[in-house]
This record gives sequence, C-alpha cells and structure tokens, in this order.
Amino acid sequence: GESVGLHLPTLSVQEGDNSIINCAYSNSASDYFIWYKQESGKGPQFIIDIRSNMDKRQGQRVTVLLNKTVKHLSLQIAATQPGDSAVYFCAERRGSNYKLTFGKGTLLTVNP
Amino acid sequence: DAGVTQSPTHLIKTRGQQVTLRCSPKSGHDTVSWYQQALGQGPQFIFQYYEEEERQRGNFPDRFSGHQFPNYSSELNVNALLLGDSALYLCASSPIWGELFFGEGSRLTVL
Repeated sequence: GESVGLHLPTLSVQEGDNSIINCAYSNSASDYFIWYKQESGKGPQFIIDIRSNMDKRQGQRVTVLLNKTVKHLSLQIAATQPGDSAVYFCAERRGSNYKLTFGKGTLLTVNP
Repeated sequence: DAGVTQSPTHLIKTRGQQVTLRCSPKSGHDTVSWYQQALGQGPQFIFQYYEEEERQRGNFPDRFSGHQFPNYSSELNVNALLLGDSALYLCASSPIWGELFFGEGSRLTVL
C-alpha cells in the first residue's frame, strides 16, 4: 500500500549526542525522499533530500541514509543542539507524481 | 526576499460555512501546492497548481477547490465546512520539480 511510516513517535537525547530518526516506506517505486523539520507553530522546513540512486547524502551536521533493500530511510543529526528540538517528517515522491507523501512524524526533544 | 506567505494565520468558522485561504509563493516560484495537516499528523496533499491549472489532486472531496492567479498566487476554498476540516492548511511553492518551500500555515478551527 501507500505509506511512509516512522518507527518511533518520540526521541529524547542529551545535548551534544548524535540523533538517529528512522523511517520506513512501503512502495519500491518511491524514488525521491526528503526530511523536513517542523517547529511548533511553523511550517515544515527542508533539511535534506536523497534520490533512490544514492545510498548516502551529507549536509551540515545531518546525514541521510537510504537502504532500498529494506525500504528504510534514516536521518542522523550530529552533536544535537536544543534548537534541533522539533517534529521531523520523512516524505517521499514517486516518479512523475507531484505530491509528497508524509509520514506521521517523530518528536525530537533535546535535553540540556 | 519574502518566503511563502499565507493569510489569514488563524480563523474560526462554524459548520456549513465556507472559507477562503490565500497564498503568495516565494519569489521566482511558479508552482503552488496545498496540504492539510491535522493535529499530530503529517501533511496530506490536497492539490497542486501550475500555469493556473490544477495539475494533480489528492484524496479530497470536491468541497475543496482552488485557483491560481497569473501572478502565481493561489487560493484554497473549502465549502460546507465539517468539524473534521479543522486543521493547519499549508501552502508550498516551488519551481515545477524543485524543492518545496512551505509557509507558516493557516490554522482553521470549525465549531
């Protein structure tokens, strides 16, 4: 079926630790994946994206890993900071389909 | 450079009423998409407009309609409001296949 799901609804980490947020997708036709950050009262903010012809992509303090064999996506945040506290969504798109399909979200809380 | 702007930010309506939400895309963007985000959920795609035409539609009833103007701004209209229409309505703009930039949303409460 069409779904993008998250393994954990909440994640609590200490400031300075690394965070890993996971996401599973069910459709092997998905070929473009994006991670968004949404702070309270704001719209989703683009973090990083990856296409299905890649396994890994790095940004500033963030890394996205894609495992097509098990249909799994992860977002790694290095040296997590209090400002990283937010809800994180993975989203996917398939081929010529314009729409993004979002997962339910993971709430990341960073403890000082 | 202004990002995606939406209005109003908050509004309250009663069941059966109609609502119009507005969106101005980021400068240089010609495509506008609308998403509905219920509390505690991820955004759900409503539809996308490009060149003043609806290009793709999600699983939403005909009560949801939209429009794109020549200056690329867009409106979302919802008729015969139901309690379940209470949500954050997000507008996102982009070049046709580019990265989506979201606005802050319009919070609709239906009583």
